[in-house]
Amino acid sequence: DADVTQTPRNRITKTGKRIMLECSQTKGHDRMYWYRQDPGLGLRLIYYSFDVKDINKGEISDGYSVSRQAQAKFSLSLESAIPNQTALYFCATSEGSGTRPEQFFGPGTRLTVL
Amino acid sequence: RKEVEQDPGPFNVPEGATVAFNCTYSNSASQSFFWYRQDCRKEPKLLMSVYSSGNEDGRFTAQLNRASQYISLLIRDSKLSDSATYLCVVNVNNAGNMLTFGGGTRLMVKP
Repeated sequence: DADVTQTPRNRITKTGKRIMLECSQTKGHDRMYWYRQDPGLGLRLIYYSFDVKDINKGEISDGYSVSRQAQAKFSLSLESAIPNQTALYFCATSEGSGTRPEQFFGPGTRLTVL
Repeated sequence: RKEVEQDPGPFNVPEGATVAFNCTYSNSASQSFFWYRQDCRKEPKLLMSVYSSGNEDGRFTAQLNRASQYISLLIRDSKLSDSATYLCVVNVNNAGNMLTFGGGTRLMVKP
C-alpha cells in the first residue's frame, strides 16, 4: 500500500466551484506539504504544516486554503476554482526538525478547471 | 532569477551514452542538496542526496561545488529506463525541512 495517498486522482470542475483535495499518510511524519506543478515552472509550495493545527503559507497560497485536523491528513481547498488553477497537485510529507529533509510525495491529483 | 535553475532539455542520448546535468542555486546559505527523479505524470522520488565530497550510486554520480553554487548529476551507461525528468532540489533551512525545486531537466534515452 502507498505511504502517501491522494484523492481524487483526477478532477474536472467548472469555474466558481468549491473543490477539496485530500491527502493521507501512513508514514507517521509530522510535516505535510501541498505543491502545484505547472509545465516549465517546477513544483511550487502552496501551504505546509509542521503539526496538527499548524498552518503556514507557501509561495503561492492565494486562492487556496488548507486544514490539518489530524497528523495523517492534510486537505487542500479551492474555495472558488478558476482556470489558472488547472495543474497537477502533489501532497508530500517529511520528518520533523533536525532530521533528514527528504520529502515523500503522493501520486498527485490532476485538476482541470473549465 | 530563479532560486534553483536547470536546463529544461530535452537531452536526447543513445543507450550506453554518458550524460551530465548541471544545476545552479542562488542562495549561498543552502545546506542540503538532492536529485529527484520524476517519470511522466508521476510523483517525484528521491534519486540521491548530494554530499560535499561527491558521491556515487551505481551508474549515478553527484557532485557539489559550493564556491560556484552548482550541482551536477552524471549518468553513465544510460538505459532506456533512465528516461525521465531530473529535478535539482535544495534545502536552505535545515530546521524547516523546506525544499526548493528546480524546473527539471528532461532526459530521453533512445535505442
